[in-house]
Amino acid sequence: ILNVEQSPQSLHVQEGDSTNFTCSFPSSNFYALHWYRWETAKSPEALFVMTLNGDEKKKGRISATLNTKEGYSYLYIKGSQPEDSATYLCAFHTNAGKSTFGDGTTLTVKP
Amino acid sequence: SAVISQKPSRDICQRGTSLTIQCQVDSQVTMMFWYRQQPGQSLTLIATANQGSEATYESGFVIDKFPISRPNLTFSTLTVSNMSPEDSSIYLCSVIWGTEGYTFGSGTRLTVV
Repeated sequence: ILNVEQSPQSLHVQEGDSTNFTCSFPSSNFYALHWYRWETAKSPEALFVMTLNGDEKKKGRISATLNTKEGYSYLYIKGSQPEDSATYLCAFHTNAGKSTFGDGTTLTVKP
Repeated sequence: SAVISQKPSRDICQRGTSLTIQCQVDSQVTMMFWYRQQPGQSLTLIATANQGSEATYESGFVIDKFPISRPNLTFSTLTVSNMSPEDSSIYLCSVIWGTEGYTFGSGTRLTVV
């Protein structure tokens, strides 16, 4: 069983606040790290696919960084909006083809 | 990216009965994946469905409980058999589409009473 941990478990912020959360994963057998956004009553949506140590990816107000040597990835949201409210999942993929999802961070943005 | 149609979107079932969930993909894909998310837990892979061969089940999941069909490269079904309240979960099918990560169906929210 691969240990993939996300923190915090939940987060409540005000509209306009910037926030970040963490995904920790094993530092060995790394292949890729994915981030997903899962809104209530919808399917998870891929945000980022990260494969290289030091990767930094950005999509609008959301960005992510990757450190494969120490086994963590950060997801940042700048200027949070109510529509950013969702559960953010990371998924760790090994070079043996195994995938493990974290429990997710549930973000609530209050107007 | 691929588009997946999953149905039913939700169901309430009596214990001891079975439910079959269907996923239709708009493109041909080699592998389809079936996941479960029990309340308060992470997405857990049940099995990988390959066209033309038996599904590969993860530890803790067995074919008798979760039979899978994969008759062609665009369609798969997962049956949850002899259901108990512990089977109440969200069930998701997914495919890997190029380098874009997983694409998921809209999910089936199952409640067993």
